[in-house]
Amino acid sequence: NAGVTQTPKFRVLKTGQSMTLLCAQDMNHEYMYWYRQDPGMGLRLIHYSVGEGTTAKGEVPDGYNVSRLKKQNFLLGLESAAPSQTSVYFCASSWVGQAKNIQYFGAGTRLSVL
Amino acid sequence: AQTVTQSQPEMSVQEAETVTLSCTYDTSESDYYLFWYKQPPSRQMILVIRQEAYKQQNATENRFSVNFQKAAKSFSLKISDSQLGDAAMYFCAYRSGPLMDSNYQLIWGAGTKLIIKP
Repeated sequence: NAGVTQTPKFRVLKTGQSMTLLCAQDMNHEYMYWYRQDPGMGLRLIHYSVGEGTTAKGEVPDGYNVSRLKKQNFLLGLESAAPSQTSVYFCASSWVGQAKNIQYFGAGTRLSVL
Repeated sequence: AQTVTQSQPEMSVQEAETVTLSCTYDTSESDYYLFWYKQPPSRQMILVIRQEAYKQQNATENRFSVNFQKAAKSFSLKISDSQLGDAAMYFCAYRSGPLMDSNYQLIWGAGTKLIIKP
């Protein structure tokens, strides 16, 4: 029972470097989400997707890009990392049905930008 | 815009006792969902309990129950017979109901750290 899998689990970048975080889910969920979690704050939505080939901006989208080329995968990209992007990143997924809109989370990626 | 407030950064309870975590929210909507998620040291977010705003009956899941006061916009979590494995960060979250355009997003509180004393 894999659920939602995020890779990598940890990463250290230098300012200006780029990277991609991968999220994969095996539950056939339509919706997928990327959040960031900072100390003393709740999760904040970066981008989300309501289906293959579609993405939308969340609360804090600046500095990030996403792609959903396959239903099971949702990629989060940082083109030019900044220290302000040091955070823990969570991916989540959920069904389409409103009554079951419970989000299932991955274990997170801890990213440090020096 | 909706907001979620958890006023207790940290709570502690003796093992086997009962603890209540507070959550208040602000919204002008009448149809919405409320959630409590648990984040143990492993970091993975785990759903604890969910409440639909249109339901008057408080949700219950084994040792976990909520006190949902819609008029007061309050949604507290009660953990009975606390166990060492309950130690975690607990987050309250809000989601708009099915007729709202922004209904894909969860709005999160800042979390409460729960410490269980053996």
